[in-house]
Amino acid sequence: EAGVAQSPRYKIIEKRQSVAFWCNPISGHATLYWYQQILGQGPKLLIQFQNNGVVDDSQLPKDRFSAERLKGVDSTLKIQPAKLEDSAVYLCASSLRTKTSGLRADTQYFGPGTRLTVL
Amino acid sequence: QKEVEQDPGPLSVPEGAIVSLNCTYSNSAFQYFMWYRQYSRKGPELLMYTYSSGNKEDGRFTAQVDKSSKYISLFIRDSQPSDSATYLCAVNTNAGKSTFGDGTTLTVKP
Repeated sequence: EAGVAQSPRYKIIEKRQSVAFWCNPISGHATLYWYQQILGQGPKLLIQFQNNGVVDDSQLPKDRFSAERLKGVDSTLKIQPAKLEDSAVYLCASSLRTKTSGLRADTQYFGPGTRLTVL
Repeated sequence: QKEVEQDPGPLSVPEGAIVSLNCTYSNSAFQYFMWYRQYSRKGPELLMYTYSSGNKEDGRFTAQVDKSSKYISLFIRDSQPSDSATYLCAVNTNAGKSTFGDGTTLTVKP
């Protein structure tokens, strides 16, 4: 079974530039998550999709971050304009979780992440 | 105050030692408890999960949850150099939102 794919693996940009990350979840996984992991910290949830609908985006800085999941499969996360404090690893994860599956289906499988450096 | 506090480490032990990793959480609404392992430059991978107080064992790993004191632990027996990684605790509510600790970096020396 193929895992969660992410690209690019590394990105270096200057502040105020824009950047986009792509994620392809495990086939059949209804729920997709984007996390931000700053060096030395645990992952922080940015946005959670179930199929192509947003479940939770309470910690997404909506003035500069946006995300979409077209057709309930692939997802992109965009930052525009980037700030120095956005330097982090952006992790995508997916799970089988649906509205009725409950917690036991919530095992999240993570991709390798995209390491973003903002200069 | 963070919702999940994890012993910061780093932790360095000799091969074969018993390792204890610990977290506390503040919200009694958390019902689902997980431990992830994260190797350098990789995404986290789920090691163990549990949803009740008590112990759950899987090979050399034991997860322990005490809901009354809001305390979770991971024990690693007979630690190996391949166990060297960052260990993250995480807690979930019914809504499936995971909150992670900041991780403890473990080094097992041969």
